[in-house]
Amino acid sequence: SSELTQDPALSVALGQTVRITCQGDALRNYYVNWYQQKPGQAPVVVIFGRNNRPSGIPHRISGSTSGNTASLTITGAQAEDEADYYCNSRDSTGNHLIFGGGTKLTVL
Amino acid sequence: QVQLVQSGAEVKKPGASVKVSCKTSGYTFPSHDIHWVRQASGQGLEWMGWINPNSGNTDYAQKFQGRVSMTTDTSIRTAYMELSSLRPEDSAVYYCSRVAVGPFYYIDSWGQGTLVIVSS
Repeated sequence: SSELTQDPALSVALGQTVRITCQGDALRNYYVNWYQQKPGQAPVVVIFGRNNRPSGIPHRISGSTSGNTASLTITGAQAEDEADYYCNSRDSTGNHLIFGGGTKLTVL
Repeated sequence: QVQLVQSGAEVKKPGASVKVSCKTSGYTFPSHDIHWVRQASGQGLEWMGWINPNSGNTDYAQKFQGRVSMTTDTSIRTAYMELSSLRPEDSAVYYCSRVAVGPFYYIDSWGQGTLVIVSS
């Protein structure tokens, strides 16, 4: 299968920890990337190659993968973390990109 | 710094074509694949295809095969995406994006997006 499945929505209390998951067979063979998108803005990569953070991304954001499931964990969620999060990898051919359906994260 | 600046919003009638441009700066244009991703209002990201500016090689999502064409003009560091036979469901924000060079294949820069509205 060349699909990535995410929960449509999650909420987290301010300062608490939340895990956003992404499932798909592709994750057994290819690294996952995670993008954060705020309303009216282009996406921004927050995790690439499973658990690498670009400069400027806070350390409270981390990634992991086990089998066919990738996770993005935000430890001590802040108001500015409220956004849509998309996982991304490659399909079974390795030539095409695929995106998960996105998870809308609300920080309460 | 790396910049991808896209052309402005378009309104098209069903059956028409649209060509979106993506002018880049701040990096060696031929060295990075360019991917196009679209997003309908309130919906998720949908990958459309990519082009290697160095070779001109392209690969498109099956959904868009026969309707999409991605090209580049290296002399002006610009990528283009043309979508034909437009339908109302093609109304979306279209993003060009750059893939990083290195051991990990990920999008490290995005254009600001181009809104395309298809309506009669």
